[in-house]
Formats: sequence, structure tokens, C-alpha cells
Amino acid sequence: EVHLLESGGAPVQRGGSLRLSCGASGFTFSDYAMYWVRQTPDKGLEWVSVISASSSNEDYTDSVKGRFTISRDNFKNTVYLQMDDLRVEDTAIYYCAKSPDAVPGERFEYWGQGTLVTVYS
Amino acid sequence: QSVLTQPPSVSGAPGQRVTISCTGSSSNLGAGFDVHWYQQLPGKAPRLLIYDNIVRPSGVPDRFSGSKSGTSASLAITGLRAEDEADYFCQSYDTSLPAPWVFGGGTKLTVL
Repeated sequence: EVHLLESGGAPVQRGGSLRLSCGASGFTFSDYAMYWVRQTPDKGLEWVSVISASSSNEDYTDSVKGRFTISRDNFKNTVYLQMDDLRVEDTAIYYCAKSPDAVPGERFEYWGQGTLVTVYS
Repeated sequence: QSVLTQPPSVSGAPGQRVTISCTGSSSNLGAGFDVHWYQQLPGKAPRLLIYDNIVRPSGVPDRFSGSKSGTSASLAITGLRAEDEADYFCQSYDTSLPAPWVFGGGTKLTVL
């Protein structure tokens, strides 16, 4: 059974940093691309970042480019999201999700339970 | 404003059939990209319910079905049950946007 478990969410002051982690089990982690998606009551679901299975490709939504960095450790079966220069509008529940392929696919096959990031001013 | 448009809410009595619409444009659904549906139970993470327009992942009851035509798609739920009360989101792909994975705003299903 696929299982994704996020951690690292916390309250943080504007301009601060956080690193989110997502531990994976139940599948061959190194064979699949992984995503981060966030959710707020106002904006709904929003794709944030993606990394290919081999880490050769990564991408970000415009609002986080230059501030967030996605990475993965295929030996630890973990994907990370380093979040710097946080803004109030980054406040959201952050989910990691699994792609159905080694490269970014069109859908999000499995989701973690989410971790809450709250940025205060 | 979400790229895909869904009704904010729908409702139905137990046993009834409800449908949830998802309207896109010529750069996503109309361009041939598939629609995917997710169910989010209260306080839980989204779960893939239908993918590639019509395919149910293993474990999803056949009471749930999807369809797509042109720039629109629909999720149908038959034999409505209390445990179906949740938020439902459609999602597709749009290469005209810098963030190509796009979502609908979600539809709250209330089982009366």
C-alpha cells in the first residue's frame, strides 16, 4: 500500500524558512516523479513543484520560483521542499503527491495527509 | 478564479444520482488533455477517484463514473450514500499556462 507522510509544517514569521519532508513507502520511490501541492480555503488546490524520479528535472509555480527548492533522496525514500523568504500568502496545507510515471505525469496518483504551514507577519 | 469551473455545491438524497460538472477551455480539456477527479473527505487528503476521464482506480466503487466531451467533463455518483459527502475536485493539464497542472475550485456534495 502506498503511504506518503509529510512533516515539517509549523508557524513561521514572514521572511523565515522551513523545510518540509515527505517520507514514502509501499512503492519503488526512485521510479516515480513527486509533486508538492498546496491548499487554502481561498485559492483551493494549487500545484507548487515537481521533481522527476532521477532529480534531473524540476519545476515550480511562478509565485515560488527563487524561494522554494524541491529535492529528493532516493536512498531515504524522501522528497523535500525547502521554503525560504516565506510570505503570508504561502500559508496553506502542503501535500506531497506521487506521479504515475518517472517523469511528471498529468495526474496526482496518491497524496499524503498534508502538513500545515502558517506564515504570520 | 480557478482555471476549471465547478459548481460550488450539489446535493442529493440517499440513493439518488448526482452529477458534478467541470468546464475548461480549448487549452486544457478542449486540447485533448484528460480530466481527473479527486474526492476529499472532511479533514482528509484528496484521493484519486477517476483518472483519464473514465477510469476508476482499484477500490473505487462503480457508483462513481466519469465522462468528458469537448471542453466539459462530468462526475456522476449513483446510489448516493452518506459517506459520499465530501468535496470533489476536477483537475487537468494546460500547456498554455506556466503552472500546467490546473484544478477546479471544488464542489461540496451534501447528502440530505
